[in-house]
Amino acid sequence: LAKTTQPISMDSYEGQEVNITCSHNNIATNDYITWYQQFPSQGPRFIIQGYKTKVTNEVASLFIPADRKSSTLSLPRVSLSDTAVYYCLVGDLHLNRDDKIIFGKGTRLHILP
Amino acid sequence: DAMVIQNPRYQVTQFGKPVTLSCSQTLNHNVMYWYQQKSSQAPKLLFHYYDKDFNNEADTPDNFQSRRPNTSFCFLDIRSPGLGDAAMYLCATLDRDGGSYEQYFGPGTRLTVT
Repeated sequence: LAKTTQPISMDSYEGQEVNITCSHNNIATNDYITWYQQFPSQGPRFIIQGYKTKVTNEVASLFIPADRKSSTLSLPRVSLSDTAVYYCLVGDLHLNRDDKIIFGKGTRLHILP
Repeated sequence: DAMVIQNPRYQVTQFGKPVTLSCSQTLNHNVMYWYQQKSSQAPKLLFHYYDKDFNNEADTPDNFQSRRPNTSFCFLDIRSPGLGDAAMYLCATLDRDGGSYEQYFGPGTRLTVT
């Protein structure tokens, strides 16, 4: 699994767009980028996944530049309920039997009123 | 409608007294994971099952064991809990053939050791 680096924490205000960037310099050709969200006292929840360019769903957008050495999770018009920890994971979707999914340190996002 | 169920949600055990945490799933996923998460830390993978194949992380203490009697159920046994084992324990599943890293997590079991 490629190592990922994210900011430890970020603050933003309600109604703003929030962008969280993840660095993954040694991403492999077959690796995908996946983001999870975790609220206190709950298990992580899948947000979005992508390979290149841009992916959008009802919750977020994921921007991946051509070199794929980084990715940016974009949350449009955040609210207080978006306060959570966001994890970036990188890995090959074609899991072998002993492959594992490891979480990095994550980014603690705090939304202010 | 629950997909990954963990019981109990809160567990209190005494120092050294064996405890078992359970996880069940209705998704029929072939991969199941156990993570340990301590306060303000990322989930730490303990082990996972790919079907019946057990994969233990190198740094998972021998005190932690797991059983997967069938596709739906997976258990975490802590043989002699220490104070340092107090944490949230998260169970997750993954569809190996789904072409995604989308894990489905249960709500977790918060373990307290007294």
